[in-house]
Amino acid sequence: NAGVMQNPRHLVRRRGQEARLRCSPMKGHSHVYWYRQLPEEGLKFMVYLQKENIIDESGMPKERFSAEFPKEGPSILRIQQVVRGDSAAYFCASSPPYSNQPQHFGDGTRLSIL
Amino acid sequence: AQTVTQSQPEMSVQEAETVTLSCTYDTSESDYYLFWYKQPPSRQMILVIRQEAYKQQNATENRFSVNFQKAAKSFSLKISDSQLGDAAMYFCAYRSARGAQKLVFGQGTRLTINP
Repeated sequence: NAGVMQNPRHLVRRRGQEARLRCSPMKGHSHVYWYRQLPEEGLKFMVYLQKENIIDESGMPKERFSAEFPKEGPSILRIQQVVRGDSAAYFCASSPPYSNQPQHFGDGTRLSIL
Repeated sequence: AQTVTQSQPEMSVQEAETVTLSCTYDTSESDYYLFWYKQPPSRQMILVIRQEAYKQQNATENRFSVNFQKAAKSFSLKISDSQLGDAAMYFCAYRSARGAQKLVFGQGTRLTINP
């Protein structure tokens, strides 16, 4: 039973380019969460999605960031016109549709901006 | 909004000894979950232990146990018989039992195991 799969593991972009981060949840999990970890800090919540719906995006920056979880395929976190401050580790987590179940994390994508 | 505070940026312990990592949180809710996650150098986030706020009994998982003090809003992690493989960042996290499903993390404690 595969865990949460994130790709790529490492992503390098130049300032102004777009970054696309992918997350495939565990089998049977319909809830996806994205978190960002800046160096030497804890994880910060960004967005919570269910299939085709954004449930909570209270942690998403207002500009340049977007997320989707289509009916088919992985969840995508998209960062347009990246800047140096976007350099971080981005983690995806998934959980089944029961509120008492813990979230399972992927290995993260480390985004580096040149 | 809920907050989680880990006041120990770094801790160290001798191999085979016991260490306790501190965590306090702030919430107005009565029903919630608390977690400890381990993040080794590989950067994986590994669930160590979880506690439901409505349960008075402290959770235990092998060498890991918690001291949950609901009135004091304290949730410390005790690691017994420390092993070299326990070296990692440890994060305390809070999640509401209703409504928002997001995890709120503390700043982390870096645990070093001395051989």
